[in-house]
Amino acid sequence: EVQLVESGGGLVQPGGSLRLSCAASGFTFSSYWMSWVRQAPGKGLEWVANIKQDGSEKYYVDSVKGRFTISRDNAKNSLYLQMNSLRAEDTAVYYCASLIPLVLYFQHWGQGTLVTVSS
Amino acid sequence: QSVLTQPPSVSGAPGQRVTISCTGSSSNIGAGYDVHWYQQLPGTAPKLLIYGNSNRPSGVPDRFSGSKSGTSASLAITGLQAEDEADYYCQSYDSSLSGSVVFGTGTKVTVL
Repeated sequence: EVQLVESGGGLVQPGGSLRLSCAASGFTFSSYWMSWVRQAPGKGLEWVANIKQDGSEKYYVDSVKGRFTISRDNAKNSLYLQMNSLRAEDTAVYYCASLIPLVLYFQHWGQGTLVTVSS
Repeated sequence: QSVLTQPPSVSGAPGQRVTISCTGSSSNIGAGYDVHWYQQLPGTAPKLLIYGNSNRPSGVPDRFSGSKSGTSASLAITGLQAEDEADYYCQSYDSSLSGSVVFGTGTKVTVL
């Protein structure tokens, strides 16, 4: 059974940093593009970032470029999102998801971790 | 800011058919990029419902179907059931935004 389990969310002050993790199991993690998608409270889904299987390609939504960094450790079957200079508008549930390349859809999703940016 | 537009809500009685539209532009759906659909039940993570415009993953009932034409796509739910009450999102790719996967605005389906 495919499992994606996010962790690392919490309350952080504006300007602060947080590192999210996503532990993958039940599939060959190193063979998949991976992504982060977020959902602000009561709002819709927003794609945040993608990373290629070997980490050689990374893409970000404009609003997080220069502040967020996506990375992965295939040996640990783990995906990460380093979030710096956090803003109130970054408050959201963050989901990790496996991304099918070329066709570009999210096949499996984690349960999400809540990040709250507030003073 | 979503570049794919969906109606905020649709509703129907049990057993009825409802459709959800997803309107894009020449840089996403109209450019030939596939459309995918997700179902998000209350308080849960999104789940893949339709991929590649009209394909259902294993386990998704055939009451759900997808189509695409021009710059728009649609999700149809036939034989509406109480458990279908959820938020639904379309998703595609937009060539005007670097590396950009884009989601629709989302539609709340209410079973009357």
